[in-house]
Amino acid sequence: NAGVTQTPKFRVLKTGQSMTLLCAQDMNHEYMYWYRQDPGMGLRLIHYSVGEGTTAKGEVPDGYNVSRLKKQNFLLGLESAAPSQTSVYFCASSPLRAGGYQETQYFGPGTRLLVL
Amino acid sequence: AQTVTQSQPEMSVQEAETVTLSCTYDTSESNYYLFWYKQPPSRQMILVIRQEAYKQQNATENRFSVNFQKAAKSFSLKISDSQLGDTAMYFCAFISYGASKLTFGTGTRLQVTL
Repeated sequence: NAGVTQTPKFRVLKTGQSMTLLCAQDMNHEYMYWYRQDPGMGLRLIHYSVGEGTTAKGEVPDGYNVSRLKKQNFLLGLESAAPSQTSVYFCASSPLRAGGYQETQYFGPGTRLLVL
Repeated sequence: AQTVTQSQPEMSVQEAETVTLSCTYDTSESNYYLFWYKQPPSRQMILVIRQEAYKQQNATENRFSVNFQKAAKSFSLKISDSQLGDTAMYFCAFISYGASKLTFGTGTRLQVTL
């Protein structure tokens, strides 16, 4: 049981390049999330998904796209990277509790992205 | 909108001593969860402890316990018998039932010294 895994761990991009971050969870969780963490700030939600085939915007969605084609995977894409997207990206997942509410979020190890 | 405030940017404690990290939050919701997450230098976000708002009993996990004061909207974390491995950034977080967004505080950096 690996929990939540993220690929890659570290990446350097040039401005304008594109890339995809992969998140995978083996806990059969319904909810999945992408956050970014910048110095001096807590985590901010980029996009999230409440189930396979669904996605929704978080508080800082601009410049990112996501897809959830399989329940266990949640992809975060940057179509044209900008230096402002230099950050540490965290994926998380959470189970659905009785009553339809989500529960505790479990985090992956993070991906450090540097955009030059 | 919910907000979470951690007023102590940095704290230091000696090994084996006890330390308390403060967290306050603002919400109009009555049903919610509160969490403390630990982020060591490895950057992994690790769940330390969780509290459901409807439970009056304070949550405990080994050396970690909380003081949950619902009326005061306060949720402090007490670490007993501090260990060097407790050195980390600690984040308080909030989520209301049915919400998608986990709201984080800005964190408290805890240093455990010999």
